[in-house]
Amino acid sequence: AQKITQTQPGMFVQEKEAVTLDCTYDTSDPSYGLFWYKQPSSGEMIFLIYQGSYDQQNATEGRYSLNFQKARKSANLVISASQLGDSAMYFCAMRLSGGYNKLIFGAGTRLAVHP
Amino acid sequence: GAGVSQSPSNKVTEKGKDVELRCDPISGHTALYWYRQSLGQGLEFLIYFQGNSAPDKSGLPSDRFSAERTGGSVSTLTIQRTQQEDSAVYLCASSLALRARRETQYFGPGTRLLVL
Repeated sequence: AQKITQTQPGMFVQEKEAVTLDCTYDTSDPSYGLFWYKQPSSGEMIFLIYQGSYDQQNATEGRYSLNFQKARKSANLVISASQLGDSAMYFCAMRLSGGYNKLIFGAGTRLAVHP
Repeated sequence: GAGVSQSPSNKVTEKGKDVELRCDPISGHTALYWYRQSLGQGLEFLIYFQGNSAPDKSGLPSDRFSAERTGGSVSTLTIQRTQQEDSAVYLCASSLALRARRETQYFGPGTRLLVL
């Protein structure tokens, strides 16, 4: 069965430090996409970064990078130089190639950035 | 506005009443999705629209839930005879429906439903 696991319910990081949020996934489909979304207290889901299963390089988007280890089925999000505005819930999600584009989400990790 | 909009932002209803939640997708996005987020949980897929048709309704939890989309744009999610376990945030998303793995879904702010 397809599944996303985020094992860290909550994380703390000092402002300006880097933090890694863990995500592992389970699928037998060789073609899939992995997404990270940020959900601030306002509730809206904000797209951060995407990694395709066939992508040769790890995705990067500004301060966000994805540590993609295909053999381990992990897709950890790395946030560099944390800012107070990074405090939010972070969700990892997967989309399979054969489906109708629906996303399968993990339970999320709440990140708190301390000054 | 350029983003996905949803209304109402908050809805309080009594058990047994019907509710309608509305989603207005990004202009030009032919794909529309409804998700549900219970307190402290991740998002749970409900239904997917391509144009006005719904090829994937697999996430609807019971026959009390239904959704429609007209004119390939606005969608309405209806919950009949609401139960307390229906209390959640209902999120709508839209995308270009390029059927590419990279295709990104853009979410609205959600409707917070509380069933008393």
